[in-house]
Amino acid sequence: DTAVSQTPKYLVTQMGNDKSIKCEQNLGHDTMYWYKQDSKKFLKIMFSYNNKELIINETVPNRFSPKSPDKAHLNLHINSLELGDSAVYFCASSQESGVGNEQFFGPGTRLTVL
Amino acid sequence: GQQLNQSPQSMFIQEGEDVSMNCTSSSIFNTWLWYKQDPGEGPVLLIALYKAGELTSNGRLTAQFGITRKDSFLNISASIPSDVGIYFCAGQTPGSGGSNYKLTFGKGTLLTVNP
Repeated sequence: DTAVSQTPKYLVTQMGNDKSIKCEQNLGHDTMYWYKQDSKKFLKIMFSYNNKELIINETVPNRFSPKSPDKAHLNLHINSLELGDSAVYFCASSQESGVGNEQFFGPGTRLTVL
Repeated sequence: GQQLNQSPQSMFIQEGEDVSMNCTSSSIFNTWLWYKQDPGEGPVLLIALYKAGELTSNGRLTAQFGITRKDSFLNISASIPSDVGIYFCAGQTPGSGGSNYKLTFGKGTLLTVNP
């Protein structure tokens, strides 16, 4: 069984469109994250939710809006897509948000904006 | 923001050789972690280090948390072809309010192992 799953795996879209990426974890974790990995493989945290509450919000354009309908799901909606949004987006989860909690990553969603 | 300097950027080695990579920072971290990312997949945790000076092994992997809490290294002994991938160091620090720890990642070391 997949611990952290993301859909879709690949997403190709035109500039200006709105798209969503979905994430689900079946680990019973309380905390979920979104990371962006750019073309140089640099991984940077975007958001973190703990029990459906936003706890980390890095400097991300407000075109990006995470939504957590329950603690097993964290979706990422992106409005008015730009070329620079092309990247691989990873969802992750951990038991809690405290120190030492191992983060389990999903397989990633490769977003290509044309 | 905090930055981790990871080196080397890439390595090409022969099967059976030992490998060493490291991360340094100007900031102190509470925890150091080492992840491996295979192509088309998400990072997977290899080793977590929680105390300054800690030396931890996981099979052929050994990692240490620097005494100053500003650096860490990862060694891989007797490399095999399946060790190929990108290795990331990550440091963990508290966010606002002293909780809600976040990870800051290094830029990765791409390891290629020639059989």
